[in-house]
Amino acid sequence: GQQLNQSPQSMFIQEGEDVSMNCTSSSIFNTWLWYKQDPGEGPVLLIALYKAGELTSNGRLTAQFGITRKDSFLNISASIPSDVGIYFCANGGATNKLIFGTGTLLAVQP
Amino acid sequence: GAVVSQHPSWVICKSGTSVKIECRSLDFQATTMFWYRQFPKQSLMLMATSNEGSKATYEQGVEKDKFLINHASLTLSTLTVTSAHPEDSSFYICSARPGGWSPLHFGNGTRLTVT
Repeated sequence: GQQLNQSPQSMFIQEGEDVSMNCTSSSIFNTWLWYKQDPGEGPVLLIALYKAGELTSNGRLTAQFGITRKDSFLNISASIPSDVGIYFCANGGATNKLIFGTGTLLAVQP
Repeated sequence: GAVVSQHPSWVICKSGTSVKIECRSLDFQATTMFWYRQFPKQSLMLMATSNEGSKATYEQGVEKDKFLINHASLTLSTLTVTSAHPEDSSFYICSARPGGWSPLHFGNGTRLTVT
């Protein structure tokens, strides 16, 4: 079935560092979504991408829709302790159902 | 806007009993809601699509007789885990979208522990 592979699986960084993670798929998609999940809570939407090549920012977060439409990247600049959590890419293509990536765990040391 | 609320936040039940989880869209109507399950250190896995006024659609491998879904109104979907067993212990999360191609919004999840 459809799989979204995220890399890296986990990251342990110092506060203030920049972070980069990516999501790849064997299928082509028309949208890419990035969510963050805090422990014990549901995912919260960070950024939505709707066009190949699109680069969108939300504060310190920047995400890009890969030109091949098979991948997406999320960057976090100047990380802070509250950035801790699991970051998921997701998309659903034309099915209306949302499939999640494998997730990237981010730990930020003050 | 686009708030999705789940209740309860956590529940502990004995093996063999049934548990009902509610998912409400607070400020919008949702003809479709989605139920996910998440085991520790894993991603969210779609269980089923809840359709208002009709039967739910289950993903492959999800037992429809065990996970009963009812979507009786445009703002409420319920998931009932019947005859729960310890292996059903998980984090259950619902989601809905305000409409069209809006991104999905998620509830805060329900932690189910079956003893």
